[in-house]
Amino acid sequence: EAQVTQNPRYLITVTGKKLTVTCSQNMNHEYMSWYRQDPGLGLRQIYYSMNVEVTDKGDVPEGYKVSRKEKRNFPLILESPSPNQTSLYFCAAGQGLSALHFGNGTRLTVT
Amino acid sequence: AQKVTQAQTEISVVEKEDVTLDCVYETRDTTYYLFWYKQPPSGELVFLIRRNSFDEQNEISGRYSWNFQKSTSSFNFTITASQVVDSAVYFCALISGNNRKLIWGLGTSLAVNP
Repeated sequence: EAQVTQNPRYLITVTGKKLTVTCSQNMNHEYMSWYRQDPGLGLRQIYYSMNVEVTDKGDVPEGYKVSRKEKRNFPLILESPSPNQTSLYFCAAGQGLSALHFGNGTRLTVT
Repeated sequence: AQKVTQAQTEISVVEKEDVTLDCVYETRDTTYYLFWYKQPPSGELVFLIRRNSFDEQNEISGRYSWNFQKSTSSFNFTITASQVVDSAVYFCALISGNNRKLIWGLGTSLAVNP
């Protein structure tokens, strides 16, 4: 079964404490992406990766880092989280112009 | 510029009613893809359909149907005989040109009441 797996599902942390949200896909897709979803703002792209070792900024990359050392994994790193990064985060994977498959989301709260 | 507009923020219907969710898109590219996703209360994003710009055939899948009209730049989604389980936020999205990025509408929140 095609899957995009994000962990954790829920995370509460404090300002400044580094965290990583993991994302793994089992479909061998080249393209992966991170989005955040906020009320009234919809889904906004943070970073994306066209392939291994190829990453690029999306619309709202500030305060985030990513890496793509292998095809299946695309972790999202918050070096110094702030309250304005409280959001619902989604990882997605896709091939060519096929539909993106999304993980189940990570609800992050930064206090 | 590319843009997706879902003018209906919230819709509330009674079970068994038909309901149409509107989606209007903007793009200058001749090649593009349109998508609908469903986000139920549990929060995950579920892919429903993909349509490319060269295929204007309407699609039906069970109680779901989609009407793609290039002349009006619309890709509307109809649920026939709605059910409570259809309650969710529905998103329309666009990929156009060589850009792999999804452009999202802000979503329509559908409440189907018993």
